[in-house]
Amino acid sequence: DTAVSQTPKYLVTQMGNDKSIKCEQNLGHDTMYWYKQDSKKFLKIMFSYNNKELIINETVPNRFSPKSPDKAHLNLHINSLELGDSAVYFCASSHSPSNSPLHFGNGTRLTVT
Amino acid sequence: GDSVTQMEGPVTLSEEAFLTINCTYTATGYPSLFWYVQYPGEGLQLLLKATKADDKGSNKGFEATYRKETTSFHLEKGSVQVSDSAVYFCALSLYNAGNMLTFGGGTRLMVKP
Repeated sequence: DTAVSQTPKYLVTQMGNDKSIKCEQNLGHDTMYWYKQDSKKFLKIMFSYNNKELIINETVPNRFSPKSPDKAHLNLHINSLELGDSAVYFCASSHSPSNSPLHFGNGTRLTVT
Repeated sequence: GDSVTQMEGPVTLSEEAFLTINCTYTATGYPSLFWYVQYPGEGLQLLLKATKADDKGSNKGFEATYRKETTSFHLEKGSVQVSDSAVYFCALSLYNAGNMLTFGGGTRLMVKP
C-alpha cells in the first residue's frame, strides 16, 4: 500500500531512445510533481500538475513531457535521451495549499549510455 | 529568484553529539519552510515544517525555528543517533509558485558509534 509508487526503479537505456517513467499515488492528492536529482544530490523541480494547471520549469527541455491520464497518475515521458539526462527522478504528490507537505516516491535511477 | 542555501557536508558526528545544520533562504513573499530527510535508496520524507515567522517545527527530536529577521531555518538536534545518518534538505514553498518546493543543496550527516 505504498503511497507514491514509481516504476521502474532502475532504467538503463541508450542515447536517442524514448522512455517513460510511471507514477501513481493513492493518497487522494490533487497535485503531482516531478523532480530531478543529480549526482550531487541537488534537487530541481521539473513539473507541477493538477487537474487545472500544468506548471513547467522553463529550464526543462521540451524533450520532457508529463502525461496525466487521471488524478492519481503522472507519467514522465522523455524523448531523444541524452547523457546529461542521467539522474534520479522523483515523483511526489500533495494537496494544493502551499504549506502541504509533499509525499515522495522512492525514485527512478535513469542511466543513459 | 527564490533560493535556499544550506551548509555543505558531509557533517560527521559521534553518537549523542549536538547537531546544527544551517539553512538560509531568499524569497519574494512569505514562504513556508520545511526540512526533508533522505535515507539511502529512498525518496524524501518530511521531517518538520513551519508556516509563519517564529513558528517552531519539531519531530523525532529535531527542531527548527522560522526566523524571519535572519531569513533562517536552522535544524538542530540535541543528541544524534547512528540511525539519523542521512541527507537533510531545507526547502521553501510559496503559494504563488504552485506549491513547488525549492530545495537547498542537501547536507549529508554521518553519525559514528
